Amino acid sequence: GAVVSQHPSRVICKSGTSVKIECRSLDFQATTMFWYRQFPKQSLMLMATSNEGSKATYEQGVEKDKFLINHASLTLSTLTVTSAHPEDSSFYICSASTAALFKAFFGQGTRLTVV
Amino acid sequence: AQKITQTQPGMFVQEKEAVTLDCTYDTSDPSYGLFWYKQPSSGEMIFLIYQGSYDQQNATEGRYSLNFQKARKSANLVISASQLGDSAMYFCAMRPGGGNAGNMLTFGGGTRLMVKP
Repeated sequence: GAVVSQHPSRVICKSGTSVKIECRSLDFQATTMFWYRQFPKQSLMLMATSNEGSKATYEQGVEKDKFLINHASLTLSTLTVTSAHPEDSSFYICSASTAALFKAFFGQGTRLTVV
Repeated sequence: AQKITQTQPGMFVQEKEAVTLDCTYDTSDPSYGLFWYKQPSSGEMIFLIYQGSYDQQNATEGRYSLNFQKARKSANLVISASQLGDSAMYFCAMRPGGGNAGNMLTFGGGTRLMVKP
């Protein structure tokens, strides 16, 4: 199957700083990438959908100025958590897809802790 | 809007026995896909099985099978011959039909499966 790599796997940052998470499709060109957030003991919730070369579409309730998504190439999407707060601590996971695939492929996820 | 319901927050099963994890869904789309994922404590999402809404036969992948009852809008996962390594969270998910943007997923609340030796 297709491979999606997410980096970093874990990150600890101080309140008020920004953190960038990368999602790369290693062996296919991902026209669409999805970003999900998962709080402890909860399910995955879609945050936003990004299409290469265009602005991301955010789900209701997700602050687009706080969670900046860039999908500048067919193999890379980034999620930047700006001015992080402890309540942003969560597991963030991306998935990547293209029209030829019946499903999206997930990265390994990033566990963010804001202290 | 799509909705996935998993009514079993936690389940125990004896090693080597079979177990069924329940999933019901609600959608107005005529075409959709149903997935099951396994999430171990590491957090990675491991794809288990897929069922398309127009598939005539129930999907099977090794020890995993999907009991798809379209009229009841249910897509239960059956794991045969449980192994200790099957202990994990299991998520049922749905995607709308058609096109690349349709590969976004709506997830159920999950079921934690614990396999007893």
